[in-house]
This record gives sequence, C-alpha cells and structure tokens, in this order.
Amino acid sequence: QQPVQSPQAVILREGEDAVINCSSSKALYSVHWYRQKHGEAPVFLMILLKGGEQKGHEKISASFNEKKQQSSLYLTASQLSYSGTYFCGTEAGNTGKLIFGQGTTLQVKP
Amino acid sequence: DAGVTQSPTHLIKTRGQHVTLRCSPISGHKSVSWYQQVLGQGPQFIFQYYEKEERGRGNFPDRFSARQFPNYSSELNVNALLLGDSALYLCASSLGNSPLHFGNGTRLTVT
Repeated sequence: QQPVQSPQAVILREGEDAVINCSSSKALYSVHWYRQKHGEAPVFLMILLKGGEQKGHEKISASFNEKKQQSSLYLTASQLSYSGTYFCGTEAGNTGKLIFGQGTTLQVKP
Repeated sequence: DAGVTQSPTHLIKTRGQHVTLRCSPISGHKSVSWYQQVLGQGPQFIFQYYEKEERGRGNFPDRFSARQFPNYSSELNVNALLLGDSALYLCASSLGNSPLHFGNGTRLTVT
C-alpha cells in the first residue's frame, strides 16, 4: 500500500526549515528518501532501517519511528538547491522493492 | 564512473505497437529494477532482476516483460501499447537490494 506524504507542497524562503512526513499502514523494514528535480532522475538521499535510527547529511536529516511506521525528513536552513520533489520509498522487507509516496514538492525562494 | 544509462531518452509510439527500453547499470551493480512514473506521481515498481533472475514483479499486466543479460544490462518490453502506458520509465541499479541509483529515464509517449 502506498505511503502517504505530507504536506503535498511547501514554499520556503532561503534559510527557513521544513519537515516532510511519510506514513505507512504496513510494518516497514526501511524507508528511503529521494529528491527529484524537474526533468531529472530521482537522487538518493538516505535510508533509514527499522530501529528508530536518525540519520543526517549536512543540513538534511531524517528519522524513522518504527512503532508509528512514520518517517520524517528535516531540511534545515534551506538553500535554493533544495527545491524539487521529495519522495519517500518504503520497503516491507529486505527486498529492494520500493513503494513510493506521491511526493512533496518543495520550492525555495530567494 | 558512469551512472545508470538508459536509451532512448524519448520515444513516441502508436497504440498497439511494441517498445523496447534499454538500461545499463553502474559498473559492478548486479541488480536492476524498472519503475514507471506517471506525471505528478511517485515511481511505481514494475520489475526487479538480480543476477539475470526475476526477483520481483509489480502489479502490471503481462504486456510488460523484462530480462537481464549476462553483462547485467536490462531490457523492458511493452507489447500492445495503450495510451495509459505514456510515462517516464526509470531504470535503477544497486549493489544488493539498495540504495537504488536511477537513470534519467525514457519518456514514452503513446498516441
């Protein structure tokens, strides 16, 4: 079943923070986050495995709440380059088969 | 190192025709997956191949088929094209099951 992402869209000014959420009704093995810019391929950001681990990459980090089957992506002090559509992909087991959410479009303005 | 390469980049076909899309994975990656992305939606899983064997299949009709070759490249075939098959077809490769590294896709338009 497709995970649900919220919000669907967000507009920020440079330097502002954002949170994108991803919820699943199924027990999850992992959550993957990707960013896709218009006309380009989705680019891998990070994977979170069950266990509630929080990962970070510079000003982008994420958490995974295994009990709630929810993951959140945190974008801190946003930059213009953060603009794009963010997708979470969920995995019920270690299968490599991802079910993607519908995406959250992020626009960062100067 | 080259990333995942897909060909062609764009394709226009007529309803009822057949199409073959090609994908070359990142060197060393033995797993290839295919996804369909309709405009405004997330990618939807079609197939996964590992070491030339099908490991998974999504909810797509039998008109969709794929295969992986000894050099780990892959083809996606779609028969009897329908208007609804118009989409961006993404190929992704990985060392094991993840993470997926996507190619830039093939934009298929069915008229």
